[in-house]
Amino acid sequence: DTAVSQTPKYLVTQMGNDKSIKCEQNLGHDTMYWYKQDSKKFLKIMFSYNNKELIINETVPNRFSPKSPDKAHLNLHINSLELGDSAVYFCASSSWGKGEKGTDTQYFGPGTRLTVL
Amino acid sequence: KQEVTQIPAALSVPEGENLVLNCSFTDSAIYNLQWFRQDPGKGLTSLLLIQSSQREQTSGRLNASLDKSSGRSTLYIAASQPGDSATYLCAATPGTYKYIFGTGTRLKVLA
Repeated sequence: DTAVSQTPKYLVTQMGNDKSIKCEQNLGHDTMYWYKQDSKKFLKIMFSYNNKELIINETVPNRFSPKSPDKAHLNLHINSLELGDSAVYFCASSSWGKGEKGTDTQYFGPGTRLTVL
Repeated sequence: KQEVTQIPAALSVPEGENLVLNCSFTDSAIYNLQWFRQDPGKGLTSLLLIQSSQREQTSGRLNASLDKSSGRSTLYIAASQPGDSATYLCAATPGTYKYIFGTGTRLKVLA
């Protein structure tokens, strides 16, 4: 039983293309996240969604557009890919709930390795 | 702005040693602090979560402590094993729906 799944696992594409990464969680969580891990393994939050609503956008270029069709899914669409977008992208989820302090841990997906040529 | 750093960046120890990994954060106003493990090419697995009101959490051979006033957390691994080899990351929660990750410590336990 996969808790947080991402597709695809690997993505190789040319500069200027548009691509999407999908994420699904079956944990019943209300909050989902996208992170970017660069070549130095530094993990940085990009977006947080709670109940399909965008809560956090960490100064990510508007070429990146997350979409949450329902609480169990958070997809990431990237337009006009650049070399610097090459990284591993992780989706995560947790049970936070609006107005409550974070008490639950995050569960991470396996990651999507994006390579822009 | 919250910043999280981890020392050392890399650590190599013989099997059986007890070891301590350090995590420092600049803003003590956090909801919780979590420790994660990341194996090469894999996602992150949560190890321990310490609420801001707690001082420590234990799970098996792992013990994590939290000192908010000094902005520090430590992860203690007892009787290390080769299977403990991985990158260990701490993450502080400075606000709602937000986690700031540290730079990580790459641990290698030699058989």
